[in-house]
Amino acid sequence: TQLLEQSPQFLSIQEGENLTVYCNSSSVFSSLQWYRQEPGEGPVLLVTVVTGGEVKKLKRLTFQFGDARKDSSLHITAAQTGDTGLYLCAGGRPGNTPLVFGKGTRLSVIA
Amino acid sequence: GAGVSQSPSNKVTEKGKDVELRCDPISGHTALYWYRQSLGQGLEFLIYFQGNSAPDKSGLPSDRFSAERTGGSVSTLTIQRTQQEDSAVYLCASSLAGDRVIDTQYFGPGTRLTVL
Repeated sequence: TQLLEQSPQFLSIQEGENLTVYCNSSSVFSSLQWYRQEPGEGPVLLVTVVTGGEVKKLKRLTFQFGDARKDSSLHITAAQTGDTGLYLCAGGRPGNTPLVFGKGTRLSVIA
Repeated sequence: GAGVSQSPSNKVTEKGKDVELRCDPISGHTALYWYRQSLGQGLEFLIYFQGNSAPDKSGLPSDRFSAERTGGSVSTLTIQRTQQEDSAVYLCASSLAGDRVIDTQYFGPGTRLTVL
């Protein structure tokens, strides 16, 4: 059973378009992190959200944590080729237990 | 500054052989993590070291897998009698403290293991 479901699995868009990717669960998480991973490299943390309903912005990226802390979304405005990569969400649970990772959304932005 | 480094970057081995993967965390980071990333899968937690506490080994898939962290710094992940299903990218990460809920984990580039 996959605790965190990410959708879509693959997304290919033109430069300049907007997109949203989703991270959903039936479980409540204490925190939700988003990472971006490029080929041959490890994931790099983009943001951590901890409060239900929280919205964080990082330049053209907007992250939202659901009110019930079961889901999250990542919205990219005016995508650029440099946004290409694998986007992973990871949920933190109480008790300092291991992060739970989704399988990721592979984004390709075409010039 | 130096990030997390891993060696080797690629390892090809024959089924049944033992392999050792090395991780050098960021200096001063007390927590160290090992993950496995298989094709089309998310990151699978393997083991977690935090300071002098007993490691959390709950993610190790079998007793063929073990890991050590010597002197609170370098870590080695050992896989004995490798099987083809062990083929994956093995990622190491470190964090300044050990709060897995909110700490930033800094990942190394990974070791790609291929078992023939």
